[in-house]
Amino acid sequence: NAGVTQTPKFQVLKTGQSMTLQCAQDMNHNSMYWYRQDPGMGLRLIYYSASEGTTDKGEVPNGYNVSRLNKREFSLRLESAAPSQTSVYFCASTLSWTAEQYFGPGTRLTVT
Amino acid sequence: GESVGLHLPTLSVQEGDNSIINCAYSNSASDYFIWYKQESGKGPQFIIDIRSNMDKRQGQRVTVLLNKTVKHLSLQIAATQPGDSAVYFCAENPFPDMRFGAGTRLTVKP
Repeated sequence: NAGVTQTPKFQVLKTGQSMTLQCAQDMNHNSMYWYRQDPGMGLRLIYYSASEGTTDKGEVPNGYNVSRLNKREFSLRLESAAPSQTSVYFCASTLSWTAEQYFGPGTRLTVT
Repeated sequence: GESVGLHLPTLSVQEGDNSIINCAYSNSASDYFIWYKQESGKGPQFIIDIRSNMDKRQGQRVTVLLNKTVKHLSLQIAATQPGDSAVYFCAENPFPDMRFGAGTRLTVKP
């Protein structure tokens, strides 16, 4: 099993550009999440998908959109990147609300 | 708002010693807690979890203690090894309402 995979690993964008971060898991997990991690701060939830076909906002959803393409894949889109979105983005998945959460390796995004 | 925090941002220990990493939480209604390990350049890795109906839970070389009276959580690592060097952070509440602390950086000296 590859676990949770994310692409790309690194990305540099100019302000106003758009991009999609891809995430896939091969553990047949129901729930998937997108977090951002900023220096000196804990992970903050952007969006989550409790199950295939559903998505919900987390703590910091502004400026982002998501798509749960199927049970395996959950993508995060930045429509018009801003410097405040410079961060490390992690995708994660769980089987249930209190099950072990598996994280991907992260995408380091810089917006200039 | 209520948040999860850590007492110390850094901890340095000698290889072979035991490590204790602390975490304070302020939401008395929290009923589920997780400790994560994050190595440089990698995603967080689940270490151990504990529910509020427990005071202690043991894993392989790790023990989590929960003191609900003072809203304190600790992670004990026995016989700390160089591979334990990482940032450790606690989190409270079941998903998706989980709140994460900023972390403590553990450095293991040979």
